[in-house]
Amino acid sequence: NAGVTQTPKFQVLKTGQSMTLQCAQDMNHNSMYWYRQDPGMGLRLIYYSASEGTTDKGEVPNGYNVSRLNKREFSLRLESAAPSQTSVYFCASSATAGTAYGYTFGSGTRLTVV
Amino acid sequence: QQQVKQSPQSLIVQKGGISIINCAYENTAFDYFPWYQQFPGKGPALLIAIRPDVSEKKEGRFTISFNKSAKQFSLHIMDSQPGDSATYFCAASTQAGTALIFGKGTTLSVSS
Repeated sequence: NAGVTQTPKFQVLKTGQSMTLQCAQDMNHNSMYWYRQDPGMGLRLIYYSASEGTTDKGEVPNGYNVSRLNKREFSLRLESAAPSQTSVYFCASSATAGTAYGYTFGSGTRLTVV
Repeated sequence: QQQVKQSPQSLIVQKGGISIINCAYENTAFDYFPWYQQFPGKGPALLIAIRPDVSEKKEGRFTISFNKSAKQFSLHIMDSQPGDSATYFCAASTQAGTALIFGKGTTLSVSS
């Protein structure tokens, strides 16, 4: 099915370990996003890429890096994981950043840092 | 700074009743206001959206009401059904090529 694919679905890390969350979309969308979801906090933007070759910080970028590998793929890297990064991470894409375009979300990566 | 404030945090409605979720925003540059629906274990999905040039938009049992002067918008779910039980997020964005800003979400439970 067309859409946004995230890998892995689940991950447990030890404090200080690093990992990369992968995201790919097959809808030829220009813009891609990474959000984290925590209980009572809603969806908070980590980073986004309005178009291939550009990335911008969101509300909570500290401790994360991103790479827009090509038009399809947008990865999120945790260099040194901390317990505060325990969360559900969602990747999304849209035809373009800005108004009137709905986002398509992946099914999420549930990350636990111990 | 929370740019989109959503209430209530949780809501219990009887089957057939009306569910109402409210959002308020601060940034007058916002010009796109979508609502997303999320079921457990799934990613959010676009439900309905409105632009500020209209005061109401209806799609089936779902209606967005928009009050530009008050900087508020709300989601009404008519004839609520158990299948509507989910978390609902309001959001807002501008034309400037930025990303959606989401509210904190409302967990709706429709009892049968």
